Amino acid sequence: QQQVKQSPQSLIVQKGGISIINCAYENTAFDYFPWYQQFPGKGPALLIAIRPDVSEKKEGRFTISFNKSAKQFSLHIMDSQPGDSATYFCAATFQGAQKLVFGQGTRLTINP
Amino acid sequence: KAGVTQTPRYLIKTRGQQVTLSCSPISGHRSVSWYQQTPGQGLQFLFEYFSETQRNKGNFPGRFSGRQFSNSRSEMNVSTLELGDSALYLCASSLSAGGLSKTQYFGPGTRLLVL
Repeated sequence: QQQVKQSPQSLIVQKGGISIINCAYENTAFDYFPWYQQFPGKGPALLIAIRPDVSEKKEGRFTISFNKSAKQFSLHIMDSQPGDSATYFCAATFQGAQKLVFGQGTRLTINP
Repeated sequence: KAGVTQTPRYLIKTRGQQVTLSCSPISGHRSVSWYQQTPGQGLQFLFEYFSETQRNKGNFPGRFSGRQFSNSRSEMNVSTLELGDSALYLCASSLSAGGLSKTQYFGPGTRLLVL
């Protein structure tokens, strides 16, 4: 019940295309859903985050879509660039807690 | 502002030894969490500290322990190291515990190799 399931495991997108990564959760006690980007040899960096009372949040080329009834959320990267090639993690936290429950990660490759 | 710093960055130990990793949070941040990252298990929560108190603990054996000091700096210790403890250990800091300040900022990690 504490799991966050992420798909796909790996994704190859052409430059300029849209990258879409999906996550699903079971526990309705989650109240905060961040996405992190990690480059090799670096720690995860926060990209964008959403709370369940919002259905969509956009920051630059990055958009989170949130479907509370389906218990799913996704990251869309518009106009994907080679510099976006990294591993992406979705995560969730419980109300009143800082503990992040991470998805398994998606290795994204943007072909030039 | 300086980011989260972790020392050392790389460490090689042998089975049975113990290790202490250090984390300095972003200035003003009072909450520190630790995570273990491995290729097989992904990112897993170890523990969270706020105001020198452990608020939450992940599902790890008692060989994993931590503490937080009055200046919010934190250390984690792993005793009796096993080969499976080889991992990237990540520290994350946030302004406060829970509430609206949920944004966590990660350090670069300490890469531990157990031989």
